[in-house]
Amino acid sequence: QVQLQESGPKLVKFSETLSLTCTVSSGSISSTSHYWGWIRQPPGKGLEWIGSIYYSGSTSYNTSLKSRVTISVDTSKNYFSLKLSSVTAADTAVYYCASAIRVVTNLHHWGQGILVTVSS
Amino acid sequence: QSVLTQPPSVSTAPGQKVNISCSGSTSNVGSNYVSWYQQLPGTAPKLLIYDNNKRPSGIPDRFSGSKSGTSATLGITGLQTGDEADYYCGTWDSSLRAGVFGGGTKLTVL
Repeated sequence: QVQLQESGPKLVKFSETLSLTCTVSSGSISSTSHYWGWIRQPPGKGLEWIGSIYYSGSTSYNTSLKSRVTISVDTSKNYFSLKLSSVTAADTAVYYCASAIRVVTNLHHWGQGILVTVSS
Repeated sequence: QSVLTQPPSVSTAPGQKVNISCSGSTSNVGSNYVSWYQQLPGTAPKLLIYDNNKRPSGIPDRFSGSKSGTSATLGITGLQTGDEADYYCGTWDSSLRAGVFGGGTKLTVL
């Protein structure tokens, strides 16, 4: 089954850009039946859908984050990425990458998550 | 404030059953598939139900899903202490053109 692993800096400075990568193994990011997504969870709070991408590059974003979010895919290296600009303390969260099958919100497989802290 | 509404908490005794509700609108639950996730403490969420009522392989049939109109329900029977977790519903919102989650329900098995 598909396995996912998040990687990137765990500490980001206020107003800078958060950048994370999700490496996909035991599966192809070029699969026509998969969508690839990012979800976050602030400490002690619920899940928030950030956005998703299809292998073709087609994206969907959370409307409240849309102006600051970019999700991209690298089919040659089998990974997808998240960039969130102008971060504040409110962006401190565990960031998960996940894969969806056929329906963008059927999140069948998840990475273990990475805690990213925004500080000054 | 989440787009989908779930009760913050539910509790019941071992061996009993529980239903967790997820209320939305015509643009989300009412017109798109609903999925349910279990999040045990300190772990990533795990898919329990997709397409309203389908279980991924390995999920026991103690877990079930249903949908009627703009509400969905996760049912769990034969509750065990190991089922204590946070449960989330999720779906697509056709008006927002984005995925949305419920606020989560904390299940306590007393």
